[in-house]
Amino acid sequence: QQQVKQSPQSLIVQKGGISIINCAYENTAFDYFPWYQQFPGKGPALLIAIRPDVSEKKEGRFTISFNKSAKQFSLHIMDSQPGDSATYFCAATKTGFQKLVFGTGTRLLVSP
Amino acid sequence: SQTIHQWPATLVQPVGSPLSLECTVEGTSNPNLYWYRQAAGRGLQLLFYSVGIGQISSEVPQNLSASRPQDRQFILSSKKLLLSDSGFYLCAWSVLGGVGEQYFGPGTRLTVT
Repeated sequence: QQQVKQSPQSLIVQKGGISIINCAYENTAFDYFPWYQQFPGKGPALLIAIRPDVSEKKEGRFTISFNKSAKQFSLHIMDSQPGDSATYFCAATKTGFQKLVFGTGTRLLVSP
Repeated sequence: SQTIHQWPATLVQPVGSPLSLECTVEGTSNPNLYWYRQAAGRGLQLLFYSVGIGQISSEVPQNLSASRPQDRQFILSSKKLLLSDSGFYLCAWSVLGGVGEQYFGPGTRLTVT
């Protein structure tokens, strides 16, 4: 019940296209859902996060869509750029849990 | 602002040798601290986390141990390294009692030969 399932494992998108990464969770007590971006050889960096009281959060070209009834959330990268090529991890946690449950990661390649 | 440091950045050690990786956080007090390992091209495996000095929780039985001798210092150790200990080791911190955001350090690349 603590798992977060992430798909696809890898993704190739043309420059200017939309990248979409999906995650699904089982534990309905989860109340915080962050996304991390990791470049090769670097530590993951917090990209954007959402709480279940909203269905969408947008920061620049990055948008999280959240479907509480389906227990799914997704990251959309609009106008994808080669500089967005990285591995993306979704995660989930619940207040007071002190730990994040991570998805398995999606390797995104944006072709020029 | 808060900063997290890890050293060394890279390390090559022979099998059977000891290990000590250090992580320090600046600009915050009483953080939660975490050690993760990432195998090449793989996900993030939580190894240890700590909610205070001397308080360590182990997530996965293994050849490693962790200690927190000071509030903002977290150390990952091994008495005898195995080949399978190779990987990218990441330290992270979060606000004690916070919403759950974790902030990662730059990582240590460990190669056991």
